[in-house]
Amino acid sequence: GAGVSQSPSNKVTEKGKDVELRCDPISGHTALYWYRQSLGQGLEFLIYFQGNSAPDKSGLPSDRFSAERTGGSVSTLTIQRTQQEDSAVYLCASIGSTSGNPGYTQYFGPGTRLTVL
Amino acid sequence: GDSVTQMEGPVTLSEEAFLTINCTYTATGYPSLFWYVQYPGEGLQLLLKATKADDKGSNKGFEATYRKETTSFHLEKGSVQVSDSAVYFCALSDFTGANSKLTFGKGITLSVRP
Repeated sequence: GAGVSQSPSNKVTEKGKDVELRCDPISGHTALYWYRQSLGQGLEFLIYFQGNSAPDKSGLPSDRFSAERTGGSVSTLTIQRTQQEDSAVYLCASIGSTSGNPGYTQYFGPGTRLTVL
Repeated sequence: GDSVTQMEGPVTLSEEAFLTINCTYTATGYPSLFWYVQYPGEGLQLLLKATKADDKGSNKGFEATYRKETTSFHLEKGSVQVSDSAVYFCALSDFTGANSKLTFGKGITLSVRP
């Protein structure tokens, strides 16, 4: 597609349930990022995928969070046993390459607003 | 670790006023610097960027200059419009290793009144 797409746009769930958030990056983009935007913490990096390399999971806040990227394209962020503090907007971004050339632009999707009741 | 500090908000200005939004950073390497904007109901968009010291990024009348000596990347616009009302985020990417993740400031909400 023309841009990064994310689904669903809104998700309301009950505490303790699992949720899956989906990201479709720009076609051909090899690097994909997940970020979280919350009132208290601002915008935080969660996880990074680059090609077939092992993902950088250093930003995941707990082991309830996981993500995968199938076929080098679509990515799914899974939150298990959701808590109220997980309520936030989850953003996905992709770029074409990270091969040592500074300034590549990250293109962001519209985000998924997650509300945990 | 890397960090970005933005001035506290919100900011309310009248149309055609001069805008400055301060941003300073801390980084271990030589980062690239960015301003992203989030218009109401829309996703994050890149506004402008600078990849090395003394570079000036510009777009839509906005400018920011990469100042290594003061570790700053302040955003300026000479005459704001109502359509500039949005949330503005300063960010850096410190391309050490393969992960060029963005580190963001907390963002500042700008409201421009007619």
